[in-house]
Order: sequence, then C-alpha cells, then structure tokens
Amino acid sequence: GAGVSQTPSNKVTEKGKYVELRCDPISGHTALYWYRQSLGQGPEFLIYFQGTGAADDSGLPNDRFFAVRPEGSVSTLKIQRTERGDSAVYLCASSPPGDADTQYFGPGTRLTVL
Amino acid sequence: LAKTTQPISMDSYEGQEVNITCSHNNIATNDYITWYQQFPSQGPRFIIQGYKTKVTNEVASLFIPADRKSSTLSLPRVSLSDTAVYYCLVGDMRGSGGYQKVTFGTGTKLQVIP
Repeated sequence: GAGVSQTPSNKVTEKGKYVELRCDPISGHTALYWYRQSLGQGPEFLIYFQGTGAADDSGLPNDRFFAVRPEGSVSTLKIQRTERGDSAVYLCASSPPGDADTQYFGPGTRLTVL
Repeated sequence: LAKTTQPISMDSYEGQEVNITCSHNNIATNDYITWYQQFPSQGPRFIIQGYKTKVTNEVASLFIPADRKSSTLSLPRVSLSDTAVYYCLVGDMRGSGGYQKVTFGTGTKLQVIP
C-alpha cells in the first residue's frame, strides 16, 4: 500500500518568506508526527497530532512554526518569516491506532532558505 | 526522557555480524527500546523493538540485559545495502494515549566495506 508522502520534495525560498509543507499519512493512521532533521543530526521532534488535535507541540522552536490537521488526515506544517536557520529536512511520520510503537516515515521535504 | 549514547560510526566488512550497542542508564520502568535505520535522503525505518531479554525478527536481533541500561542491535552477515545510520530510541510508547515524545540522538553511522 501507499506509504507516507510529503510534498514538495524540495523547497527553496528566500529569507522572510512563508512556506507550507504537506504530509499525507498512511490511510487510517490516527497519529501524525513532524520532525526536523539537520545535516548529520537525528530527527528532532516538532509536533504530534492524535486525530485533528495537536496533542504535543512542545517541539516547535518558536511561534513562526505552526501545524494543522483539520480533518485528521493530511497535515500542513507552516513556517512564517523563514530564516536561514530553518533550512533542514522536514520529516513526517504516522502510526496506526493501537500501534504507537512504530512510526512510518515519509521521505521528507528538503527546505532551503536562501 | 531517557538519554541514549551510541558510537558515532562503525565500519564492517561484508558478510560479518555487526553489533551496535546503545547505553541508556536512566531508562524508566515503562520504557521500550526501539531501533530505526535511515538511508540517505530517506526517512527512518523501524527495525526492531524490545523491552527485555532478546527479540529477533527477519532483519535483526536485539539483546537487552537484565538491568536494561544498555541494548545491542545485532545485524547478521551485513551487506553493502546495510550501510546506513542506526538510531536507538528509548521511550514509553505504550502509555496512556500511546505516545511519548522520543529523541533520536545522532545515531551510529555504519559503513559496510566490500
């Protein structure tokens, strides 16, 4: 079956611009996670959704970052006034109900802020 | 959250067994140990999870001593395609709500040599 998909695969933007990154989880997965991965580092947790609600957004670095999941499926990570330090790979993962042990990751979106 | 410590990198020849050890001295009673594999330009992929003693699947084995303060991922007869970064995670993913924020750390970069 289809895995987690993320679009775009690459995004280049200029400092100060607004960007949206999209995640399509595996159908039926209720839990959705966003991570950020910088070069040479492991994924860094940003936010976790259970259904439509953000159950844990403690990893969002500041108020320029926001994520939504209005219908409990697709999620969008929004970054306002992008900074060069936001450049990273943004990973999305999902888990099925009753199996939070395993996260299925998408290929990520590589964001470059010039 | 229990912190984990792994070697930064390891080299191995094809066909050898590789053991990667992870230290997690402050692991909590409810914490499980999970290992993920990540290839370049891909999201992490679940390999194996365990709580104590030994767990084996078609990909790897996981050895956990009685005190659970460390764990060892064992990859039998590695091939060039096993070259990847391997992450050890510790967390209680089976608690109420089935979620706990986990930390990936920097992982172990395994290089398999022909």
